[in-house]
Amino acid sequence: GIQVEQSPPDLILQEGANSTLRCNFSDSVNNLQWFHQNPWGQLINLFYIPSGTKQNGRLSATTVATERYSLLYISSSQTTDSGVYFCAVGNTDKLIFGTGTRLQVFP
Amino acid sequence: GAVVSQHPSRVICKSGTSVKIECRSLDFQATTMFWYRQFPKQSLMLMATSNEGSKATYEQGVEKDKFLINHASLTLSTLTVTSAHPEDSSFYICSARDKLAGGFLHYEQYFGPGTRLTVT
Repeated sequence: GIQVEQSPPDLILQEGANSTLRCNFSDSVNNLQWFHQNPWGQLINLFYIPSGTKQNGRLSATTVATERYSLLYISSSQTTDSGVYFCAVGNTDKLIFGTGTRLQVFP
Repeated sequence: GAVVSQHPSRVICKSGTSVKIECRSLDFQATTMFWYRQFPKQSLMLMATSNEGSKATYEQGVEKDKFLINHASLTLSTLTVTSAHPEDSSFYICSARDKLAGGFLHYEQYFGPGTRLTVT
């Protein structure tokens, strides 16, 4: 099956800093999503991005499908950005989740 | 956006009893729903795929007789943990894909808020 690795595993930032999270996957995919899991466990959809670049406010994402990686950019981080960020990929109707990046933003 | 609900959000049960978790798509029809399990500080692991009107497909290593899945309508799937034991304690999350969105291989999944199961 597809292997999905995320880096870094942990990230500690001060409010206002920028960061880049990476997702590498081992096979070609038709689907790729980025999620933020808040402290209560809810997964929030950030981007559906099997290829190309998208932006939503302070967040943007880029997927280079031919090179099997995706990047999530967070600019001007806020304490409410804290939580775990997952990418999930699939080439069937299923999603395989990555290992996650745990982000802590301090004031 | 698409909303998926789960009920209950938290449940505590005694060892040997069964627990039913409901997953509903509130504003769209879902021919396919998925059930995941997440242990503390770990990623989500897919347990099974629930298809409306047909039997669920279980991932390797998931006991289908312990985790009974029923997808009786286009907006409701249920997961029943039978004869629960403490090792079944976990965070269970469902997701759904919009029947009308995209094609079979190009669609977005929407996730419920999860159910925290504790078996004593």
